[in-house]
Amino acid sequence: KAGVTQTPRYLIKTRGQQVTLSCSPISGHRSVSWYQQTPGQGLQFLFEYFSETQRNKGNFPGRFSGRQFSNSRSEMNVSTLELGDSALYLCASSASTVRDEAFFGQGTRLTVV
Amino acid sequence: SQQGEEDPQALSIQEGENATMNCSYKTSINNLQWYRQNSGRGLVHLILIRSNEREKHSGRLRVTLDTSKKSSSLLITASRAADTASYFCATDAIPRGSNYKLTFGKGTLLTVNP
Repeated sequence: KAGVTQTPRYLIKTRGQQVTLSCSPISGHRSVSWYQQTPGQGLQFLFEYFSETQRNKGNFPGRFSGRQFSNSRSEMNVSTLELGDSALYLCASSASTVRDEAFFGQGTRLTVV
Repeated sequence: SQQGEEDPQALSIQEGENATMNCSYKTSINNLQWYRQNSGRGLVHLILIRSNEREKHSGRLRVTLDTSKKSSSLLITASRAADTASYFCATDAIPRGSNYKLTFGKGTLLTVNP
């Protein structure tokens, strides 16, 4: 079956702009999580959605938000971009919870200039 | 702070040799997962081991878990150049309330020289 699909793969944005990233989980999976990966901080948890509800949120400012649709697809939005938001954003898909295997997409490489 | 910490940070070996990476964590867990990441790309799921399991195998991979020491190891046997990648362990803590997230270590960069 198809894996986790993230779009777009690459983005270049200017400071102050906003960006929306998309994630389509594995068919049948209902949990979608988002992570930010940077060389300095490593992999940091952003938030997790299940059945359109945010169940957990990491320590990121309110500029980072997300949502999940009824078909389990998820989007994350970053408003008022800062240079420090440049990172690889990864989406993970699980059947139900993190007690299940979590499968990741290829990520979206965001560069803020 | 990171829940998982991999050791060593970097490992360089020759093709055909075995590679062992270790992961330590701080709090009780439900399970531990190992992932591979090729340069700047997505994470590839390798293996999940549950807290009531001590050892698990998948092809050339062998994972052990010692919950008393809060540590896990990943052994790659007969390594190949294609195994060159960063390897991460990820844990989910026993939740207090809801805690639906994985916590990652900083990874071990494995280089397999042909």
